[in-house]
Amino acid sequence: DAGVIQSPRHEVTEMGQEVTLRCKPISGHDYLFWYRQTMMRGLELLIYFNNNVPIDDSGMPEDRFSAKMPNASFSTLKIQPSEPRDSAVYFCASSVGRGIDNSPLHFGNGTRLTVT
Amino acid sequence: AQSVTQLDSHVSVSEGTPVLLRCNYSSSYSPSLFWYVQHPNKGLQLLLKYTSAATLVKGINGFEAEFKKSETSFHLTKPSAHMSDAAEYFCVVSDTPRGGYSTLTFGKGTMLLVSP
Repeated sequence: DAGVIQSPRHEVTEMGQEVTLRCKPISGHDYLFWYRQTMMRGLELLIYFNNNVPIDDSGMPEDRFSAKMPNASFSTLKIQPSEPRDSAVYFCASSVGRGIDNSPLHFGNGTRLTVT
Repeated sequence: AQSVTQLDSHVSVSEGTPVLLRCNYSSSYSPSLFWYVQHPNKGLQLLLKYTSAATLVKGINGFEAEFKKSETSFHLTKPSAHMSDAAEYFCVVSDTPRGGYSTLTFGKGTMLLVSP
C-alpha cells in the first residue's frame, strides 16, 4: 500500500500563474478530500468527492479554485490565477466511507505552495 | 453546527512525564470524535476515535482519550512522553450528516514539544 500520493511536494510560482496540484488516492477508497492548511486558519476542507462525483465544494474559497476527479485514481486541484494569499500546504486525503465509522482518512504528505 | 476548540496552541513536557492535550467540542447531535497526529512535513495520521462505544478510547503509541459528554471534552493523554511524540495534534469532530453526508471539523492543533 503506497498510501495517498501527492505531487509536487513543493511548488513556487509567481502571482497570476496557474497552479495544478495532483493526488492519487489509495486504491479502493471511494472518498477523496482536498484540505488547505495555514497557520492562521488551520485545516480547512475545500471539497470532497464520492465515487468521483463532487459532493460538497462549499469550502472552495472562490472561482479561481477548481477541482476535478476524472477517474477513481486521480484528482487535481487547480488555482488560476494564483495569488500570494493562496500560499499554504494543500493536503489530499482518501477513505472508505466518510472517514467516520469506516476507515479513517489517509492523508498524503501535502504540497507546499508558495505564491510570490 | 459543530465546532472544536483546542485549548492550548503549544504544550511542553519533559521526556517521561505525562501528556495532557485538551479539547472541547460543540455538537448538535451525538458526535464522533478523533485525534490525529501530524509529524513535520507529513500528512495527518489517526491516533484514535470515539464513535459512541466505550467512553475511554485507546489509540496507538500509548495514547488514550476519554469522552465526557457532561463536560463536552475529549482530552488526549499519555502516561509517559517519548521524544518521538513531538508533533502537532488535532482534535476532530463529526456531526450528523448534512444533506446525507458528514464531514470532519478540525481544531487548530496543539504543538507538543518534548524535552530530554
